[in-house]
Amino acid sequence: EVILVETGGDLIHPGGSLRLSCTGSGFSVSDNYMSWVRQAPGKGLEWVSVFYPGGTIYYADSVRGRFTISGDISKNTVYLQMNSLRAEDTAVYYCTKGRGRTSIYDYWGQGTLVTVSS
Amino acid sequence: EIVLTQSPATLSLSPGERATLSCRASQSVSSYLAWYQQKPGQAPRLLISDASNRATGIPARFSGSGSGTDFTLTISSLEPEDFAFYYCQQRSTWALTFGGGTKVEIK
Repeated sequence: EVILVETGGDLIHPGGSLRLSCTGSGFSVSDNYMSWVRQAPGKGLEWVSVFYPGGTIYYADSVRGRFTISGDISKNTVYLQMNSLRAEDTAVYYCTKGRGRTSIYDYWGQGTLVTVSS
Repeated sequence: EIVLTQSPATLSLSPGERATLSCRASQSVSSYLAWYQQKPGQAPRLLISDASNRATGIPARFSGSGSGTDFTLTISSLEPEDFAFYYCQQRSTWALTFGGGTKVEIK
């Protein structure tokens, strides 16, 4: 059974930093595109970033230069380091598994809430 | 960035009725379009990939069609559990994008 568990969400002040983690079970992170998708309160879905070992890393314009995605294959875990946080980064952050090397998101985590507020 | 426009924003229907949801892309995405369902307090769930391929376990009443810039998600006969939000997503180019969503509500 495929399971994704996100951790790391918190209340953080503007300008602060936070690292989210996503640990997968039932599959290998090394075989699939892994992405972060966020959803601001009462809003729609926004793709944030993608990671695939071997060089596939992309970011949404809204986070490029502030967020960094990475992975630890030995821990089957993907991370999202978020720096220079802004109020508009407030959202539930979902970790998603792509179907192989695609961005067809066939499994989602339960989400972790990041609140940026003073 | 490819913009996906979903219409209508809200669809008010009764159980048993047919639902037709639209997703229009600002440029061609070929068939690289997926549909997701999201219920309040839950993560999204994949319904349809590559425009018309139902995901595992998705009932046959859900179907997708289209290519290029115009896509449709059809629910042939609404069940009570189908009242939810629906989002389209393109994977034709980075950055990936989602549509703004359609809420299917009980009339």
